[in-house]
Amino acid sequence: DADVTQTPRNRITKTGKRIMLECSQTKGHDRMYWYRQDPGLGLQLIYYSFDVKDINKGEISDGYSVSRQAQAKFSLSLESAIPNQTALYFCATSDTGTGGTDTQYFGPGTRLTVL
Amino acid sequence: KQEVTQIPAALSVPEGENLVLNCSFTDSAIYNLQWFRQDPGKGLTSLLLIQSSQREQTSGRLNASLDKSSGRSTLYIAASQPGDSATYLCAVTGNNTDKLIFGTGTRLQVFP
Repeated sequence: DADVTQTPRNRITKTGKRIMLECSQTKGHDRMYWYRQDPGLGLQLIYYSFDVKDINKGEISDGYSVSRQAQAKFSLSLESAIPNQTALYFCATSDTGTGGTDTQYFGPGTRLTVL
Repeated sequence: KQEVTQIPAALSVPEGENLVLNCSFTDSAIYNLQWFRQDPGKGLTSLLLIQSSQREQTSGRLNASLDKSSGRSTLYIAASQPGDSATYLCAVTGNNTDKLIFGTGTRLQVFP
């Protein structure tokens, strides 16, 4: 079984709809991250969480919100989806900070299309 | 603001060739640098992590080097195989931060 899972894997929605993307991990890591990937732009950090009570904005948090329901679960919400939020979204986890020797482990991604 | 650039954006080589992927970053104050592999429809897989105090890391046919002062890293793939076909991403972690800054990737195709 995958250590980091994301649901749904694919989603098509309409402008203005509220969307929630979910991430679960079985690695027992404290730190979780949400990224989006756009063609030609690499991955950009949306939000990250160092533990259940700690939430931090990343580079491109506008239009997004997150919820850390438990150590193993980190959800990303688009309150009112717009077409330029069409992208591939990745969740990741790490045990300690990436400033140490631990890497981040990524989920398989969610492809979101906003019409 | 840290910027990470990868050249070339795409590369197509015949099986068996040795090849080099390049990554450059604008701020040399990094804590570490990582190389990831991304396969279509899948997430990223970490290949190698180099601490700022290290010069290189090796794993099998992969060797990553780091020249922090010049803001460069290379990923060397020996005896390339079709199974190496994927997008390769490099990412840096800045000092006093837990954030990965990614490059835009090199899309590699190795044909038989």
